[in-house]
Parts: sequence; C-alpha cells; structure tokens
Amino acid sequence: QVQLVQSGAEVKKPGASVKVSCKAFGNTFTTNAIHWVRQAPGQGLEWMGWINAANGNTKYSQKFQDRVAITRDTSASTAYMELNRLTSEDTGVYYCAREGVVVAGYGMDVWGQGTTVTVSS
Amino acid sequence: SYELTQPPSVSVSPGQTASITCSGDKLGDRYVCWYQQKPGQSPVRVIYQDSKRPSGIPERFSGSNSGNTATLTISGTQAMDEADYYCQVWGSSAALFGGGTKLTVL
Repeated sequence: QVQLVQSGAEVKKPGASVKVSCKAFGNTFTTNAIHWVRQAPGQGLEWMGWINAANGNTKYSQKFQDRVAITRDTSASTAYMELNRLTSEDTGVYYCAREGVVVAGYGMDVWGQGTTVTVSS
Repeated sequence: SYELTQPPSVSVSPGQTASITCSGDKLGDRYVCWYQQKPGQSPVRVIYQDSKRPSGIPERFSGSNSGNTATLTISGTQAMDEADYYCQVWGSSAALFGGGTKLTVL
C-alpha cells in the first residue's frame, strides 16, 4: 500500500526558510507526480506546486513562484518543498500528495499526514 | 485568473441526499475532483474525472459536471460524512481548489 510520510513539525522565525520532506513507500516513486498543498489555520486548501518525479520538471503557483522550490531525490524516493522568506502568514499545515497516474483529472490519490509549520518571532 | 466557487456550508438530515456545488466558467470543459477532509485529518479523494469513484469510497458518493457547475452528491447521508469538501480542477498547468464546503449532518 502506497504511503507518503512527511517530516516533523517546524518552528521558524520570520525571514527564515523551511524545508519539508515527503518520503514515498510502497510503489515506484518515479511513476508519480508529487504536489504540495498548504492549509492555513481554519482555512481551505491552497495548491503550491508540483514535481514530476521522473524528470524533475516543476510547476509553481504564481503566488509562491518567487520563494518556493520543489525538488526530489529519486534514490531516496523523497520529494522536498522549501519555502523562503517566511512570514506569519505562512503558518499552517503543509501536505504532500501523490498523483499516481498522470492523466487528466486523476487527482491526488494519496496524501501525506501533513507537516505543521509555525512562523513566530 | 480562474476561480471555483463553493457554498460555505450545506446542512442535511441523516438519510437524506446532500448536494454540494462547485461553480466556474465553462467548468464542464474541465475534469473535476472532489476531496473530503475531516477535522485533524488529511484530505481524501472521493471523486475523480467528474464522476469516478476510487476503490474504497462508498457508492453513496457520486459526481457530475456540466455547463458551469459540478455537483457532489451524497445519497443516504450518514453522520460519518460530516466533513469539509473541496472541488479541484486544473487550469494553465496549475491546480486550483474551491474554497470548500462544510457539510453538517443534523
């Protein structure tokens, strides 16, 4: 059974960076695309970007374009999301989610458990 | 930029049918996915490609998409279906979520 396991909670100061990992178990990592989705406290889901695990191609939301980087390490079956220049508005839960079959409309079929990032001085 | 609009809340009595809508310009030309999120949990995909149900999702969940509106329908709603529901589409190589609908079963 496919499972995505994310790194633990982070507390950061404003202006710092955070890097969250997402390790895939139970399938061939390079057949997937990995999305990153943010949820601020009490708010909805917000898509940040994704990476094609096979070739490393990425696409980012315009909102995060200039301060997010999504990478992957195929040997470790792990994707990473790094967010720079943090502010209090970046506080929230960050999820990775797999698109197991990259065809139109398939959606995000497996989600990580979420990583809480708190930005506070 | 493309936008998806969902009602903030929907209420339904147990055993009745709940309908949650998602609206967007010519939404019927795009595939819609639906996700269920219960408090403190990660989202779960309940519908993909407008109307397909993943394995393990109860048959009471169904979806449709036409014109400017997609609809998630839950027939015979149970207390365990109380959750937030989000629609999601692709646009310009970027994914987009609706604002979410809180389904209350009372």
